[in-house]
Amino acid sequence: GESVGLHLPTLSVQEGDNSIINCAYSNSASDYFIWYKQESGKGPQFIIDIRSNMDKRQGQRVTVLLNKTVKHLSLQIAATQPGDSAVYFCAETQYSSASKIIFGSGTRLSIRP
Amino acid sequence: DGGITQSPKYLFRKEGQNVTLSCEQNLNHDAMYWYRQDPGQGLRLIYYSQIVNDFQKGDIAEGYSVSREKKESFPLTVTSAQKNPTAFYLCASSRQGQGIYEQYFGPGTRLTVT
Repeated sequence: GESVGLHLPTLSVQEGDNSIINCAYSNSASDYFIWYKQESGKGPQFIIDIRSNMDKRQGQRVTVLLNKTVKHLSLQIAATQPGDSAVYFCAETQYSSASKIIFGSGTRLSIRP
Repeated sequence: DGGITQSPKYLFRKEGQNVTLSCEQNLNHDAMYWYRQDPGQGLRLIYYSQIVNDFQKGDIAEGYSVSREKKESFPLTVTSAQKNPTAFYLCASSRQGQGIYEQYFGPGTRLTVT
């Protein structure tokens, strides 16, 4: 696989448990946030997004929480499965700026059988 | 079967040679992007294009060049001026308009320069 996951923080979770991946964002002017999943050897895939007028958004098995006070995002994955193994990135941007997205360095999620 | 294709998946070059990475999309997206990904780091924007025949520098454009002659294609040339070209390169595309639209990523090209 690709070497892009080297030196990343790693979260190891038992299969079936819930996973919580955290992200601190840098720009207090950011008002739109995205979580991406990147499997080994592939490009990132969009998982879920949230705008700053919300503090929680749910998708299928995933929930994103936003705490603007401390500039913190989290991604919760329910009932973690082997297929969830990947590197997860948060990204921040300003909704009016269609081209400048700032990506975090990522967290590797590892699933224990 | 719509999507973004990047070729080749792995590319090897000698130092001092220019190399062009291919990116093609059939999603009818106006905007296209090139990112570089290094181990332990987030994606960094190299160049982006919001419309045919127009493109802008991203955060790390030095040593790279692009062209956008067709809506479907956004090739990236890594020139010999790029000091540290070995990296994983990702191309993305999105709709264009008011606000942010989801970026769809290609599978990436791993460039190794020795």
